[in-house]
Amino acid sequence: GAGVSQSPSNKVTEKGKDVELRCDPISGHTALYWYRQSLGQGLEFLIYFQGNSAPDKSGLPSDRFSAERTGGSVSTLTIQRTQQEDSAVYLCASSLDGGNQPQHFGDGTRLSIL
Amino acid sequence: GDSVTQMEGPVTLSEEAFLTINCTYTATGYPSLFWYVQYPGEGLQLLLKATKADDKGSNKGFEATYRKETTSFHLEKGSVQVSDSAVYFCALTITGGGNKLTFGTGTQLKVEL
Repeated sequence: GAGVSQSPSNKVTEKGKDVELRCDPISGHTALYWYRQSLGQGLEFLIYFQGNSAPDKSGLPSDRFSAERTGGSVSTLTIQRTQQEDSAVYLCASSLDGGNQPQHFGDGTRLSIL
Repeated sequence: GDSVTQMEGPVTLSEEAFLTINCTYTATGYPSLFWYVQYPGEGLQLLLKATKADDKGSNKGFEATYRKETTSFHLEKGSVQVSDSAVYFCALTITGGGNKLTFGTGTQLKVEL
């Protein structure tokens, strides 16, 4: 299909390990967003990309979190030295140009830290 | 900062009942307002939106009107169906700066026969 694709759909890992989450946006969408959905915090913004640049990283909770985007397309969210509080569903969304266009969401990656 | 407050759930209704889910917002700029829906086991989907005061967004029988004077964007449906059972999120973006979404906490709706 032509929607936002995220992988893996589920990830279980041990505390202290690094994880990488992938997002493949809708073709042609220049804006890409990462959000986190957790029981305690609801839906939170993490980072926004316009092309390969990240003009807004204000939602990243700590320096263990980083993200990159290459070729104006695929993005990877990396969490280093995972902690139990990182357990959440990580959602990716894309929009046509980051303006007033609707954001289209992927199905998310459910991350569980043991 | 910007924030969205929506009514606590869960909300349980009988089929064909009238639905209102309240949403109010605080924004530093001039927001666009959205309702997103998350059906069981599925991802977030845009339900409707309004980009300026007095606009009414509508979709699938749901409606919400952007009320600047009361900073509200309440979601309504005249007759709910079992298939409307889902979690509903009110959200806003501020024009410029990438339009990141600020969400409310979500309201779970359960519709019973």
